Amino acid sequence: AAGVIQSPRHLIKEKRETATLKCYPIPRHDTVYWYQQGPGQDPQFLISFYEKMQSDKGSIPDRFSAQQFSDYHSELNMSSLELGDSALYFCASSSLAGGTYEQYFGPGTRLTVT
Amino acid sequence: DQQVKQNSPSLSVQEGRISILNCDYTNSMFDYFLWYKKYPAEGPTFLISISSIKDKNEDGRFTVFLNKSAKHLSLHIVPSQPGDSAVYFCAASYTGANSKLTFGKGITLSVRP
Repeated sequence: AAGVIQSPRHLIKEKRETATLKCYPIPRHDTVYWYQQGPGQDPQFLISFYEKMQSDKGSIPDRFSAQQFSDYHSELNMSSLELGDSALYFCASSSLAGGTYEQYFGPGTRLTVT
Repeated sequence: DQQVKQNSPSLSVQEGRISILNCDYTNSMFDYFLWYKKYPAEGPTFLISISSIKDKNEDGRFTVFLNKSAKHLSLHIVPSQPGDSAVYFCAASYTGANSKLTFGKGITLSVRP
């Protein structure tokens, strides 16, 4: 079965640079979520999109923005990167219109800011 | 404030025995609960879920029990296998369009051969 695809898998950036993370949800899933997991931490919700509209916002810095495109893929844009942004970034998708609330996660993008 | 709590950071169990992983929550608005398994450098893998209208859900070796009055749920794995060794996250959400997950800190399960 098709899974959530994230790219790139690894990314190394310097402070103050920008980064773009991409997420391709499971086909026919209508909702995309972004989570950030710091070292030794639990995943923290950043932002979500339902049918290409932002549906909820969590602890996402103003330096970050995200959108969901017409083909349902999503991108997380991160600017003015800081050392503290180093983390695993997960994308998850679900089919809320299908009545399922389970979220299926991608493999993650490991961002290292030096 | 940690709304989902997994108070035991680790659990070690002999192969073939039962593993019981516990989770507590504080927000009574949560009405859907999930368990995820995670290996290092991989994304969380969905294991099993339960709605607040149920008190038990079973899928193969995995059973989740929910006690709403105590705001407590547990994951039972029977029999435990070495391949079950991983970090297990409990997560909670509200059903609806904004169903973001709130995770616990996770528990590391080690199944000894």
